[in-house]
Amino acid sequence: GEDVEQSLFLSVREGDSSVINCTYTDSSSTYLYWYKQEPGAGLQLLTYIFSNMDMKQDQRLTVLLNKKDKHLSLRIADTQTGDSAIYFCAENNNAGNMLTFGGGTRLMVKP
Amino acid sequence: ETGVTQTPRHLVMGMTNKKSLKCEQHLGHNAMYWYKQSAKKPLELMFVYNFKEQTENNSVPSRFSPECPNSSHLFLHLHTLQPEDSALYLCASSPDPKFYIQYFGAGTRLSVL
Repeated sequence: GEDVEQSLFLSVREGDSSVINCTYTDSSSTYLYWYKQEPGAGLQLLTYIFSNMDMKQDQRLTVLLNKKDKHLSLRIADTQTGDSAIYFCAENNNAGNMLTFGGGTRLMVKP
Repeated sequence: ETGVTQTPRHLVMGMTNKKSLKCEQHLGHNAMYWYKQSAKKPLELMFVYNFKEQTENNSVPSRFSPECPNSSHLFLHLHTLQPEDSALYLCASSPDPKFYIQYFGAGTRLSVL
């Protein structure tokens, strides 16, 4: 079955880099995703990476994919207090019609 | 603003009540989803609709009854719920189920007393 795991909590200081890690089990996933959830809101897609890539950069966000180890990470450069939220990684299933989400990592940014 | 609107934002109901959650999208998407988000548990997919037809039912109890009258609207009818059903219910849509990016609404926070 599919399983996506993340650490529960990360605390960083404003201006530092944050790295949120995720491991997954389904090697047939085509895409892997990072979603952000702010308090009282739904999930907002931050970025995604195609499984044949190993890195994707989008402004302050860098996604690294190690397919051999089934490890995905999200690096946020120059982390701001507005980045405080829960971050979810997700993978799509083999048929492509369902996403499996990790339990989320709560990022706290201290001034 | 993602283009997916859920109402109500908050709902409190007793175990004998019947209520409905509504989700609306005007993004032209053909696939819609219901998810349940409970404290300390991963996001759980409940139902998938593709072109108004239900294509996935992830072993959801029959006290949850989805309805998709058209591609823009999705309902979740609730009947004789249990306190453990208290959660955030999220709706999402995508252009089609094979298009991997899903757009989420803000959710309905449900409390069952």
